[in-house]
Order: sequence, then C-alpha cells, then structure tokens
Amino acid sequence: DIRMTQSPASLSASLGETVNIECLASEDIYSDLAWYQQKPGKSPQLLIYNANSLQNGVPSRFSGSGSGTQYSLKINSLQSEDVATYFCQQYNNYPTFGAGTKLELK
Amino acid sequence: EVQLVESGGGLVQPGRSLKLSCAASGFTFSNYYMAWVRQAPKKGLEWVATISTSGSRTYYPDSVKGRFTISRDNAKSSLYLQMNSLKSEDTATYYCARRVNYGVLFDYWGQGVMVTVSS
Repeated sequence: DIRMTQSPASLSASLGETVNIECLASEDIYSDLAWYQQKPGKSPQLLIYNANSLQNGVPSRFSGSGSGTQYSLKINSLQSEDVATYFCQQYNNYPTFGAGTKLELK
Repeated sequence: EVQLVESGGGLVQPGRSLKLSCAASGFTFSNYYMAWVRQAPKKGLEWVATISTSGSRTYYPDSVKGRFTISRDNAKSSLYLQMNSLKSEDTATYYCARRVNYGVLFDYWGQGVMVTVSS
C-alpha cells in the first residue's frame, strides 16, 4: 500500500493568512493526488484533483501543487468557513488517505 | 442535485452481519463506479470497496476482503454493502461515494451512517 504522510497534524492561523499543508507519498504517485475538506460533522468534499486542478465550485483561494512524492495544498486569505480538517488521497494505486490536518482559527 | 443517502447502520455484536444501503438520485447512477469509504471515530478515512458500473467488477482492501461484499441495483439506483464477521475495528461512519470517471477519487459523498460493533 502507498502510505500518505500529512503535515502538520494541526495548525492555527489568523483570518487573511496563507496556509500550507503538505502530503508526502511513500512512492511516486505521478500527480494522482486529491485534497478533501471535511467540516465538523459533515462528509468530505473534493477540493483538488490531479494534484493541481480545482474542482467545480471550489473558491480560487484554494490551490494544489507538487509532483512525484511531494504535494501541498495552499489556502490564500484564510476565511472563517475554511475551518475544517483537510485530507490528501492518492489514487495511483488502491486509494489511501493521509491522516488529516485540522485547521483552526487563531 | 446529486444526493446519496445511506441507511442500515446501528449497533451489532462482533461476528454478526449488517447490510448498508445507499439511495442515489440526481444523476445517472448506472454510468458511475460507486464506493464505500469509512471513518473510525476521530480518525482518518479508509477506502472499503468499489464496484464497476455493471457490478461485474469489485475491489476491496485486504482489511475487509472476504468479509464485505459491495453490490448495486441500477434499476433502483441503489448501492449496498454486506458486512459479515464484523469486528470491533469495523466501528466507523460509513460513507457512500460516487467515483469520478478519471480515477479512484470521489466527487460526491453521502452524509454517512454509523456502525458500532460491540458486545
């Protein structure tokens, strides 16, 4: 199985700040990488696919980048509605997820 | 509007069985692979099963292979998960999810149904 290591496990940021979340794959996943947002008590929502493609309806302050084994999710100008847990997922092989990054407001 | 509504969860004893259902609407169900993904309390996400559009092909991780069976009824726009020989580590919220056509990732998720395996 491909292991996905996310960092940090949690972070606290201020409104308007830029946030970066990292995801490291145990082997090359050739940009087969998605990011999801899960708000408290809700189901996950797809934000990014193919490492850097924005899903329809997702605000442009979200962006993804990376290649090979290293990927990141960037949130520009943090809004209160962005408080959530973020998961990465690889789909180069049987799908596996990162453990999640819990984002809170400072 | 795409909707996925799970049902059938509850409390079950270890070793027993349970069957989950997912009613889909708002899209042509038979055109999409479907999947189940679970999330243990306060934990991350784990893919559980995927089924092809016709139901002829199914895929499972080792953690549930041989115990869980995914199936579908395209006439009823419904997805199912038969869970046998349940273990305490199967305790989780189970989500029905629609798989996108270009890869094994999921663009719509249901609200989830809780399964608790305990004596």
